[in-house]
Amino acid sequence: EIVLTQSPATLSLSPGERATLSCRASQSVSSYLAWYQQKPGQAPRLLIYDASNRATGIPARFSGSGSGTDFTLTISSLEPEDFAVYYCQQRSNWPPRNTFGQGTKLEIK
Amino acid sequence: EVQLVQSGAEVKKPGESLKISCKGSGYSFTSYWIGWVRQMPGKGLEWMGIIYPGDSDTRYSPSFQGQVTISADKSISTAYLQWSSLKASDTAMYYCARLRGGDNWNDYWGQGTLVTVSS
Repeated sequence: EIVLTQSPATLSLSPGERATLSCRASQSVSSYLAWYQQKPGQAPRLLIYDASNRATGIPARFSGSGSGTDFTLTISSLEPEDFAVYYCQQRSNWPPRNTFGQGTKLEIK
Repeated sequence: EVQLVQSGAEVKKPGESLKISCKGSGYSFTSYWIGWVRQMPGKGLEWMGIIYPGDSDTRYSPSFQGQVTISADKSISTAYLQWSSLKASDTAMYYCARLRGGDNWNDYWGQGTLVTVSS
C-alpha cells in the first residue's frame, strides 16, 4: 500500500505570506495526486487534482506541482480564510483505491 | 445541484449495531462510485471503501475489510455504512464522498455523520 507523508505537520505563517506544503509518496503515483482543504467543522474540499489542476472555483493563488513521489501545494499569498488543514490524496485507477496523507495544519502566526 | 445528505448524529453503546446513510441527488446516482471516509477525533482522513451503486461492486481498504459493510439502494439513491458490533474506537466523524467520473477524485462530500460509541 502506498503511504503519503506530509510535511511539515504544522506551518505557522501570517496573512500575505507564501505557503509551501509538501507531500511525499512511498512509491511513484505518477500525477495521480490531489490536495484537499478542511476547515473546522466542515467536510474536505477538493482544491487540486492530477497534481497541478485547480478544481472548479478554486482561486488562482492555489497551485500544485510535482510528479512521481514528490509534490507541493503552494498558496502564493495567504488570505485569512486559507488557514485550515490540508491533505494530499493519491488514487489508483483500478480498482479505485485512494489513500490520504496525515495532513498539514496551516495556522496563523 | 449535486448534493450528498447524510443521516444525523448517533450515540450508541459498545456491541450495538448501526447503519448510517448518504443520500445523493442532482446527478445519476448509479453512475458514480461513492466512498466512505473516517475521521477520528482530532485526527486525519482515512479512506474506508467505495461502492458503485449501479451494480453494488464494493471495495474496501484493507484496514476496514471485515470491520464494516458498505451497501447501496439505488432505488432511493442512498449509500450505507454499517457496523454489526460497535466498539468505542469506532467513535468518529464519517463522511461519504462521490468519486468524480473519469478520474475518481472526491468532488462532492456529505456533511458528515458523527458516531459516538460509549458505555
